[in-house]
Amino acid sequence: DIQMTQSPSTLSASVGDRVTITCRASQSISSWLAWYQQKPGKAPNLLIYKASSLASGVPSRFSGSGSGTEFTLTISSLQPDDFATYYCQHYNSYSLITFGQGTRLEIK
Amino acid sequence: QMQLEESGPGLVKPTQTLSLTCTVSGGSASSSSYCWTWIRQPAGKGLEWIGRLCTSGTTNYNPSLKSRVTISVDPSRDQFSLKLSSVTAADTAVYYCARSPSYYFYMDVWGKGTTVTVSS
Repeated sequence: DIQMTQSPSTLSASVGDRVTITCRASQSISSWLAWYQQKPGKAPNLLIYKASSLASGVPSRFSGSGSGTEFTLTISSLQPDDFATYYCQHYNSYSLITFGQGTRLEIK
Repeated sequence: QMQLEESGPGLVKPTQTLSLTCTVSGGSASSSSYCWTWIRQPAGKGLEWIGRLCTSGTTNYNPSLKSRVTISVDPSRDQFSLKLSSVTAADTAVYYCARSPSYYFYMDVWGKGTTVTVSS
């Protein structure tokens, strides 16, 4: 099974900061990676697919990069609405789709 | 704009079968462009992919749940469903239905989720 490890688990930042979240796969997944944002009590929302493609309606301050085993989600200038938990998900193989453990982005 | 909504019992007894339905609106559950997915999330924990069904008939299940899971679709009602048998307290979670593009396994439209508690 492919394991997805996110870092950090918690990130404290301020409005206007540039932040980066990392997701590492236990083996190469090419570019088959998605990122989601989840707010408390809400369903996850797709931000990025295929490692770097911005999902429909997602603000351009979100960007994704990487391939193989290391990926990043970057928010260029944090907005108040961005404080949430972020998950990566690989879809390299349908044998088992797995998510990272999540990164909680909190206000400093 | 397609929307999804989960429905079903909020309380299921141990050893029984959990049954949930997801109703598709603003689109068709028989569309060949999409596959229909279930994901769950125990309180305070991360996301677990349960499985999915494509209108081609292809199903893919989480190997850890495969022996207990069935996902089916009713195109005439624009609904798809999840059945999870022999439930235990470990199956207590928020259950989400979601849409995936046919050839990919990411989820681009989600329902709001429904909480299912397994307890006697």
